[in-house]
Amino acid sequence: GAGVSQTPSNKVTEKGKYVELRCDPISGHTALYWYRQSLGQGPEFLIYFQGTGAADDSGLPNDRFFAVRPEGSVSTLKIQRTERGDSAVYLCASSLRGGAIQYFGAGTRLSVL
Amino acid sequence: QQQVKQSPQSLIVQKGGISIINCAYENTAFDYFPWYQQFPGKGPALLIAIRPDVSEKKEGRFTISFNKSAKQFSLHIMDSQPGDSATYFCAASMRQGAQKLVFGQGTRLTINP
Repeated sequence: GAGVSQTPSNKVTEKGKYVELRCDPISGHTALYWYRQSLGQGPEFLIYFQGTGAADDSGLPNDRFFAVRPEGSVSTLKIQRTERGDSAVYLCASSLRGGAIQYFGAGTRLSVL
Repeated sequence: QQQVKQSPQSLIVQKGGISIINCAYENTAFDYFPWYQQFPGKGPALLIAIRPDVSEKKEGRFTISFNKSAKQFSLHIMDSQPGDSATYFCAASMRQGAQKLVFGQGTRLTINP
């Protein structure tokens, strides 16, 4: 695709529910990143994939958060037992072989009621 | 510490004026310093970036000034235009490992016509 695609663009859920957020990176980009952006703040790193493996998951806030990238392309961020504090914009970025230049998607705005 | 501090939080500049946004970092291992521009509802887009081996980089109306000894860098937007109104984020990353971006808190720039 022309850019990083994220779906859905908006997700509203109830406290305690499970959600999945999808990221489709730029074709050929082997590196994929997830960031979380709270209102009025800069994005914060969550997890980094190089190919299929999570090479750095040090930013995941707790074990309710999990991400996969089974075929080295599309990635899914999974959040279990959602809490109101999880409300934020979840951004995905990709880069060529983990280079410094990262291209961001428009994000998924998650609202936990 | 991984923190990047950005100021001011908001900035209003008249059309044609110079917009200046400042950032400071603590981790001397950082070796890549990009600036991102974000419009409402969009993901961050790379604007310009610098590595610490140079003190200044210019691309069109955008200039990064870098002071390695002070651990500070700044973005200058010359001849600011209403279309430049957006939120700007500085960031930093390390060549080693994931090259994950550490973002500043953001500056909301408004250019008055």
